[in-house]
Amino acid sequence: EVQLVESGGGLVQPGRSLRLSCVVSGFTLEHYAMHWVRQAPGKGLEWVSGISWNSRSTAFADSVKGRFFISRDNAKNSLYLQMSSVRAEDTALYYCAKDFLPQLPMGYMDVWGKGTTVTVSS
Amino acid sequence: QSVLTQPSSVSAAPGQKVTISCSGSSSNIGNNYVSWYQHLPGTAPRLLIYDNHKRPSGIPDRFSGSKSGTSATLGITGLQTGDEADYYCGTWDTSLSAGVFGGGTKLTVL
Repeated sequence: EVQLVESGGGLVQPGRSLRLSCVVSGFTLEHYAMHWVRQAPGKGLEWVSGISWNSRSTAFADSVKGRFFISRDNAKNSLYLQMSSVRAEDTALYYCAKDFLPQLPMGYMDVWGKGTTVTVSS
Repeated sequence: QSVLTQPSSVSAAPGQKVTISCSGSSSNIGNNYVSWYQHLPGTAPRLLIYDNHKRPSGIPDRFSGSKSGTSATLGITGLQTGDEADYYCGTWDTSLSAGVFGGGTKLTVL
C-alpha cells in the first residue's frame, strides 16, 4: 500500500525553527518529485515547496522563500521541510504529496499524506 | 488572493450536474496541465483529474475535466451526497516557478 506519513508538527514560537518529516512506503521515492502543501485554518490549499527526484531542483512559494528549505533522503524514504523564522501565518496543516513525475515543474500530485499540524504562537 | 480563480461555492440537487470553473493566465493554465483535487478538510486530498481531462483509476466517470485557453472546468454528473467536499484546481505557474492552486470551491448537494 502506498503511504505518506508526516510528522514533526507542533507548537512553535514566532521566529523559531521546526523540521517536518514525511516517510513514504509502497513505492520507490527516488523515482518521483515530492511536494509540501499546506492549509491554514479556514483557508484553501497552498503549495509550499517542491523538490525533484535527485534534489537538483527545488522551488518555493514566495510566502516561504528564504525561510523554508526542502530536502530528501531517498535511501531513508524520507522528505523534509526545514522551517525557519516561522510566523503566525505559517500556522497550518502541512501535507506531503507525491508527484507523478520525477522532475519539476509540478506534474500532478497523485498520493497525499494526512498531514501534520504546525501552530505558530507565543 | 489565489493565482487561479474558482467560485467559492456551487450547489445542486442529488442526481444533477454541476461544473466548477478555474480561471488563470498564459503563465499557468494556458501553458501547463491542470489537475483537480477533492478535499474534505483534515483529510488527505484526492486526485480526481490530471493532464486536464484524464481520470486516475478508481475515479468514476461521473467526474470529467476540460481545458480551453486559460480556463479549466471540472464537471460532476449524477451528484451524490458523498460528493460534498471542497474542490481545487492546480497547475504550475511558469512565471512564478511555483505550483499554484485555486482558492477552492465548496460543493453542496442539496
